[in-house]
Amino acid sequence: EPEVTQTPSHQVTQMGQEVILRCVPISNHLYFYWYRQILGQKVEFLVSFYNNEISEKSEIFDDQFSVERPDGSNFTLKIRSTKLEDSAMYFCASTFWLANGNTIYFGEGSWLTVV
Amino acid sequence: DAKTTQPNSMESNEEEPVHLPCNHSTISGTDYIHWYRQLPSQGPEYVIHGLTSNVNNRMASLAIAEDRKSSTLILHRATLRDAAVYYCILRDGEETSGSRLTFGEGTQLTVNP
Repeated sequence: EPEVTQTPSHQVTQMGQEVILRCVPISNHLYFYWYRQILGQKVEFLVSFYNNEISEKSEIFDDQFSVERPDGSNFTLKIRSTKLEDSAMYFCASTFWLANGNTIYFGEGSWLTVV
Repeated sequence: DAKTTQPNSMESNEEEPVHLPCNHSTISGTDYIHWYRQLPSQGPEYVIHGLTSNVNNRMASLAIAEDRKSSTLILHRATLRDAAVYYCILRDGEETSGSRLTFGEGTQLTVNP
């Protein structure tokens, strides 16, 4: 079964450093997402991306965050200057279309620890 | 997204059926009912979804009340691998802008051997 893959599985970074989390969505999918989950808390929406632009973002997704689909297969989340509170599991997700209740598929996550 | 209400936790015994309830009294006519689950240290995993009729797949069954204000996810024979947080989420079937899934607290299912 096709799956969303994410790298790295775990990254430790110093506060203030830039981090790029990478995702390979399922190949024929058109919509892409980033979610995050702080330890012990709910899964939170960050951003959705369609047709090479952001279609929706949450209040969490401030100027420190950016997304990109640089080469038609990868989908990346960049955090420009990491803070301690950015420590979380970050999930990439994708779907072909959202009408008629289409399924959204999630990756296994990238665990980011900011020290 | 319309709100859903689920119990915080439930317990079951291995190889017994499990019925996970979800209330969604403000559901609109175009909202699909989705169920996802999250095993420890893993990403959310799609389980099943439906609109009006009951649905079955290899993982579970979804029973939807006639007025659609509640639904029940049924795991026919729970295994230890089914221990997870189960999320009931409403999604507008006419939504085409690619907007979010909104996760609540979900139900933590414990399966006893």
